[in-house]
Amino acid sequence: AQKITQTQPGMFVQEKEAVTLDCTYDTSDPSYGLFWYKQPSSGEMIFLIYQGSYDQQNATEGRYSLNFQKARKSANLVISASQLGDSAMYFCAMREGDRTDKLIFGTGTRLQVFP
Amino acid sequence: DAGVTQSPTHLIKTRGQHVTLRCSPISGHKSVSWYQQVLGQGPQFIFQYYEKEERGRGNFPDRFSARQFPNYSSELNVNALLLGDSALYLCASSLEGFLNEKLFFGSGTQLSVL
Repeated sequence: AQKITQTQPGMFVQEKEAVTLDCTYDTSDPSYGLFWYKQPSSGEMIFLIYQGSYDQQNATEGRYSLNFQKARKSANLVISASQLGDSAMYFCAMREGDRTDKLIFGTGTRLQVFP
Repeated sequence: DAGVTQSPTHLIKTRGQHVTLRCSPISGHKSVSWYQQVLGQGPQFIFQYYEKEERGRGNFPDRFSARQFPNYSSELNVNALLLGDSALYLCASSLEGFLNEKLFFGSGTQLSVL
């Protein structure tokens, strides 16, 4: 069965430091996509980064990069130079297969950035 | 360009009532999906619509229904509301739902059932 696991319920990081949020996934489908979203207290689910299962290189979007290790079925999010505004819930999600917008979400990691 | 827009932002209903939530996708996006997020959990998939046809359905009771209009906007309807339906309802859109497409969410509708 498809599953996303986020084992860190909460993480702390000092401003300007880098932080890694862990995500492992389980699927038997060779075609899948992995997403990271940020959800501040306002509730909006903000898209951060996407990695396709066939992508050869790790995805990067500004301060966000995805450490994709296919053999280990992990897709960790790395945030460089953390900012106070990065404090939020972070969700890892998986789209399994083509022509579907059904995402399986993990339970999330609450990141707190302190000065 | 406007992102995914949802209305209303907040809603309070009582048990047994009916509710309609609305969503406008990003301009040019043809696929709309709905998610329910209960406090403290990740979102759960409810429906996906593409070109006015249902493309996917999650594990939700028949009290939940949805439709998509010719302009690609969408409505989520919930009948006979239960206390457990209290949640944040998120709408998301993509161009066509292909594997390598990004999926963008709106700010959600916070539904409280009393």
